[in-house]
Amino acid sequence: KNQVEQSPQSLIILEGKNCTLQCNYTVSPFSNLRWYKQDTGRGPVSLTIMTFSENTKSNGRYTATLDADTKQSSLHITASQLSDSASYICVEPGGAGSYQLTFGKGTKLSVIP
Amino acid sequence: DADVTQTPRNRITKTGKRIMLECSQTKGHDRMYWYRQDPGLGLRLIYYSFDVKDINKGEISDGYSVSRQAQAKFSLSLESAIPNQTALYFCATSDSQLADSTDTQYFGPGTRLTVL
Repeated sequence: KNQVEQSPQSLIILEGKNCTLQCNYTVSPFSNLRWYKQDTGRGPVSLTIMTFSENTKSNGRYTATLDADTKQSSLHITASQLSDSASYICVEPGGAGSYQLTFGKGTKLSVIP
Repeated sequence: DADVTQTPRNRITKTGKRIMLECSQTKGHDRMYWYRQDPGLGLRLIYYSFDVKDINKGEISDGYSVSRQAQAKFSLSLESAIPNQTALYFCATSDSQLADSTDTQYFGPGTRLTVL
């Protein structure tokens, strides 16, 4: 069964600072890796989907990177804002022939003034 | 207006009761999904439907059933609710026009279900 491991489990940073969240994935062969943002009490919202040909992809202040050799992805948040406080979830496909996604447990980010 | 809506948003019920959670979408997507989210765990797939006549079991379908009444509506039922079904339930949709492995899933706001 595919697994997605995220670190840290939680993180507190000051407003305006940068941070990086990590994701280790297992799916093989690789097709894509997704990052979602989930505000407390809300449904997840897609931030980015990275395919094999992309090792960096940005969405505003969010930049995702992918290292297919080490099966690691990171999400870098620049100049954090209070509204960045949320859980960030890394998601991989279920593998060849499966449409089920495997969701990580998420990193809970708190941005404080 | 929200593209994916879920009703009710919160529900408290008792063990043994039948519960139906409803999901509607205005995105025109063919694919719809039901997930549950438990504290400390990732979202897990309960059922998914690629069109009105195509319904598939997900990772944790036991104790649940679904109905796809129309392209826009997908309901999840708990025939006889039990306390370990207490969780946050999410409906999602995706666009069948894109390749299977890269289409974005759009999530509803969730239903918080408590089974006493």
